[in-house]
Amino acid sequence: GAVVSQHPSRVICKSGTSVKIECRSLDFQATTMFWYRQFPKQSLMLMATSNEGSKATYEQGVEKDKFLINHASLTLSTLTVTSAHPEDSSFYICSARDPAPGDEKLFFGSGTQLSVL
Amino acid sequence: AQTVTQSQPEMSVQEAETVTLSCTYDTSESDYYLFWYKQPPSRQMILVIRQEAYKQQNATENRFSVNFQKAAKSFSLKISDSQLGDAAMYFCAFRTGNTPLVFGKGTRLSVIA
Repeated sequence: GAVVSQHPSRVICKSGTSVKIECRSLDFQATTMFWYRQFPKQSLMLMATSNEGSKATYEQGVEKDKFLINHASLTLSTLTVTSAHPEDSSFYICSARDPAPGDEKLFFGSGTQLSVL
Repeated sequence: AQTVTQSQPEMSVQEAETVTLSCTYDTSESDYYLFWYKQPPSRQMILVIRQEAYKQQNATENRFSVNFQKAAKSFSLKISDSQLGDAAMYFCAFRTGNTPLVFGKGTRLSVIA
């Protein structure tokens, strides 16, 4: 079945540094990818919709200058947390839509635990 | 705006018994999709079952089945013959067309041996 690879699975960084998270669709072309954030024992909150070749669409309250999203190819979207602060510590999950006709499916990456010291 | 409500933060079930997780949603759309996802301790999101709103027949996947009541906007998940491996967070989710998934707050299911 289709697989979405997310890397890294875990990252620890110092406050003020930037961290890049990659999300790759391994065997299908994903024109649309989604980035979610999940706090402990809470649900997934959509941060932004990433569209290949165009600007991402951010949800209300998500700072686009802090959470930079790039979707430069049909198989790769990246989320960069810029000038990270401890409050950015969270679990980030990407998902990608396989647009196969007649049976569109959504696949999730395995997530990235970000810890900002 | 579409919303998804899971009113049971936690549920427990004895091994081999049956449990039902509740989910309601709100939308003005007539064509949409409903999902149940499982998130085990690994935190990998796993699709359990999916229902298209235009289908009247309730979806089933082995031990998992749904009770889809479109008029009531209800979409409950029934797990039969519960197994220890079923213990996880379960999220009900909804989307229309090409919109992103909207998740409920989740229900933590414990399975008692």
